[in-house]
Amino acid sequence: DIVMTQSPLFLPVTPGEPASISCRSSQSLLHRNGFKFFDWYLQKPGQSPQLLIYLGSNRASGVPDRFSGSESGTDFTLNISRVEPEDVGVYYCMQGLQTPYTFGQGTKLEI
Amino acid sequence: EVHLVESGGRLVQPGGSLRLSCEASGFTFRQYWMHWVRQVPGKGLVWVSRINENGDITDHADSVKGRFTISRDNAKNTLYLQMDSLRVDDTAIYYCGRDLAGLDSYWGQGTLVTVSS
Repeated sequence: DIVMTQSPLFLPVTPGEPASISCRSSQSLLHRNGFKFFDWYLQKPGQSPQLLIYLGSNRASGVPDRFSGSESGTDFTLNISRVEPEDVGVYYCMQGLQTPYTFGQGTKLEI
Repeated sequence: EVHLVESGGRLVQPGGSLRLSCEASGFTFRQYWMHWVRQVPGKGLVWVSRINENGDITDHADSVKGRFTISRDNAKNTLYLQMDSLRVDDTAIYYCGRDLAGLDSYWGQGTLVTVSS
């Protein structure tokens, strides 16, 4: 199974300040079609996960442009340029290249 | 608007069976892979099963293989998870999801399954 390792697991932030979450996969997520099957999700308190970033660096529909994703090899980063109070929750990375799909441990962002 | 509504979760005894349903609306259900993912309250996300558009390809996590079966009825726009030989460690919120790992990813609100004597 592909192991996804997130850091940090807890991220205290100040509104208006930037934040960054990292995720490393235990093997390449590059599909033969040239895309990396890697997503970022946010699970707000009491809600189901919602897609933020897909295929490593593409912002999902309706996601504010303060969220961005980048990747280098097997390292992936989610950046929030200026944290807003509504960004609190648990952030998960996920690989969908092969089954079983696997998630990172989650990063709890708190203000 | 896309909607995925899970149902069927309840308290069940170890060794028992349960069938979860996920009713889809707001999109063309038969055109998408569908998934089940579970989450112990307060813990992380664990992928369970997936099924292709017409139901002839399925995959299950090793932890549920041989006990759980994913299926779908495209005429009813409904996804199912048949859960047999339930164990205490199957206790979780079960989410259905559309086309995970892509721009069309969408999750339902979940249904709670509690396995306890």
